[in-house]
Amino acid sequence: KNEVEQSPQNLTAQEGEFITINCSYSVGISALHWLQQHPGGGIVSLFMLSSGKKKHGRLIATINIQEKHSSLHITASHPRDSAVYICAVSVGDTDKLIFGTGTRLQVFP
Amino acid sequence: ETGVTQSPTHLIKTRGQQVTLRCSSQSGHNTVSWYQQALGQGPQFIFQYYREEENGRGNFPPRFSGLQFPNYSSELNVNALELDDSALYLCASSWGSNEQFFGPGTRLTVL
Repeated sequence: KNEVEQSPQNLTAQEGEFITINCSYSVGISALHWLQQHPGGGIVSLFMLSSGKKKHGRLIATINIQEKHSSLHITASHPRDSAVYICAVSVGDTDKLIFGTGTRLQVFP
Repeated sequence: ETGVTQSPTHLIKTRGQQVTLRCSSQSGHNTVSWYQQALGQGPQFIFQYYREEENGRGNFPPRFSGLQFPNYSSELNVNALELDDSALYLCASSWGSNEQFFGPGTRLTVL
């Protein structure tokens, strides 16, 4: 079993739909990250959080430390949101990142 | 824009060769981490450098080595390349344990 699990693995949506991607982890963490990766490989950091909730534009990230679970929500999805969304956790003295395998999101017009 | 750059963008090598990948950190960042991402998988932590010293290492053999320079740029060296080393190599810079900013990656193909 992976230390960081994401669901679903693949997700398709119509433009305007509300999207939720889930992440569960089984290790002690100092922070949880949500990342976005477009075709070609570049990774963009969306959120880094250790408690509660953060919002940036149409994106909302929440974390429940007790349940070791986080969700990424996208409101009013748009085709430009199509990408792979990766959950990662910071662990250990180095805060090295352990990554989930990602959720591939496709939003159709 | 994150300000982290990597070179080269793409690289093709043959088995047994050696390769050096480069990363220029975002201005002011003193920590760099390197990751390997095989096709269809999430990135795997290779190692981290903090103020020019290795500060942690993942489950990678010694033929993966690195350097961090006084200007906090960094190199990843891989000796005796194997076919399974084909992957996207990502570096990420940060100020200590704060948010990491990723470069665009170097795609390495080993034939």
